[in-house]
Amino acid sequence: DAGVTQSPTHLIKTRGQQVTLRCSPKSGHDTVSWYQQALGQGPQFIFQYYEEEERQRGNFPDRFSGHQFPNYSSELNVNALLLGDSALYLCASSPWGLMNTEAFFGQGTRLTVV
Amino acid sequence: AQKITQTQPGMFVQEKEAVTLDCTYDTSDQSYGLFWYKQPSSGEMIFLIYQGSYDEQNATEGRYSLNFQKARKSANLVISASQLGDSAMYFCAMSFRDDKIIFGKGTRLHILP
Repeated sequence: DAGVTQSPTHLIKTRGQQVTLRCSPKSGHDTVSWYQQALGQGPQFIFQYYEEEERQRGNFPDRFSGHQFPNYSSELNVNALLLGDSALYLCASSPWGLMNTEAFFGQGTRLTVV
Repeated sequence: AQKITQTQPGMFVQEKEAVTLDCTYDTSDQSYGLFWYKQPSSGEMIFLIYQGSYDEQNATEGRYSLNFQKARKSANLVISASQLGDSAMYFCAMSFRDDKIIFGKGTRLHILP
């Protein structure tokens, strides 16, 4: 059984460009959350998707948007990239309503903005 | 405010010794979950152990145990008989029903041979 898979693993973009990151949740999980982890910091919550809707959102600007598909996979889109968006982006999947007790994380996408 | 504090940025421990990683938290919610994750240099966040706020017994998972002191809002991780493969970043985290996971800043653990 595959766990949470993210693609791509590494990405280099130029300031002002747009980027899309992808996440496939663990089998049986219907909730996907995205986190941004800057170098030397703990992950910061971006948003959470369940039933194809954004359910919770952290303190991130509207440049960060997402989508969840009927098969529960998800995308994170970032527009007008800034140098400060360089980070490891982690996707976590879990079954809805279990307080993340069965949350699993992907290996992350390392985004570098130059 | 909901917050996780890890006061040890880095620790060096001799192989086979036990190690305690400190974590304190702040919340006014009565129902919450506490986690510890391990993050090796590859980046993946690996779940280690979970403690629910209503659980009276301390959680244990193999060599990992969580020393939960609710009145002190403390959730320290204890790793017994440390191994070289335990070298990694360790994050304490807190979650609420159907909500985000809040992470601390982490502790980098180095196991010395």
